[in-house]
Amino acid sequence: DIQMTQSPSTLSASVGDRVTITCRASQSISSWLAWYQQKPGKAPKVLIYKASSLESGVPSRFSGSGSGTEFTLTISSLQPDDFATYYCQQYNTHSYGFGQGTKLEIK
Amino acid sequence: QLQLLESGPGLVKPSETLSLTCTVSGVSISSSAYYWGWIRQPPGKGLEWIGSISYGGSTYYNPSLKSRVTISVDTSKNQFSLNLSSVTAADTAVYYCARHRVQMVYGTPGYFDYWGQGTLVTVSS
Repeated sequence: DIQMTQSPSTLSASVGDRVTITCRASQSISSWLAWYQQKPGKAPKVLIYKASSLESGVPSRFSGSGSGTEFTLTISSLQPDDFATYYCQQYNTHSYGFGQGTKLEIK
Repeated sequence: QLQLLESGPGLVKPSETLSLTCTVSGVSISSSAYYWGWIRQPPGKGLEWIGSISYGGSTYYNPSLKSRVTISVDTSKNQFSLNLSSVTAADTAVYYCARHRVQMVYGTPGYFDYWGQGTLVTVSS
């Protein structure tokens, strides 16, 4: 079973900051990775799929990169609406596991 | 516009079976472009994929839950359902249904592009 590990678990940042969240897979997943944003009491929303493809309607300040076992989600200039929890999810194998999440907090 | 709505009991007794239904509106569930999945989230914790089904009934299950999970589809009602047997307090969670977009290269599920609002199920006597 492929394990997904995100870092950091919590990230404090300010509006306007550039932030990066990392997701590592326990074995290669090629580019089969998605990133989600979840706000309290709401369902997750997909931001990025296939490691670097921006889902329709998602602001261009979000970007993804990586392949194999290491991936990053970058927010180029944090907006107030971006403070949330972020999850990665692999879909290289039929086990569709998620990372444990990264909570992005206001500094 | 696409909507997914979970329904079912909010309280289930230990050792019993948790049953939920997801009603899909705005799009036909009978499309080869999608699977339909269940994901859960215990209070204050992360996301756990439970399983997914195609309109034709092909299924993928989380190996850690496979022995207790059954997912079925009813194309005539545009619904799919989850049964989780022998529940314990550890199964208390918000349960989400979601559309699981197919990877065209392989014809297998990929990422989740639409989600229901979620429904809290508590396991308690």
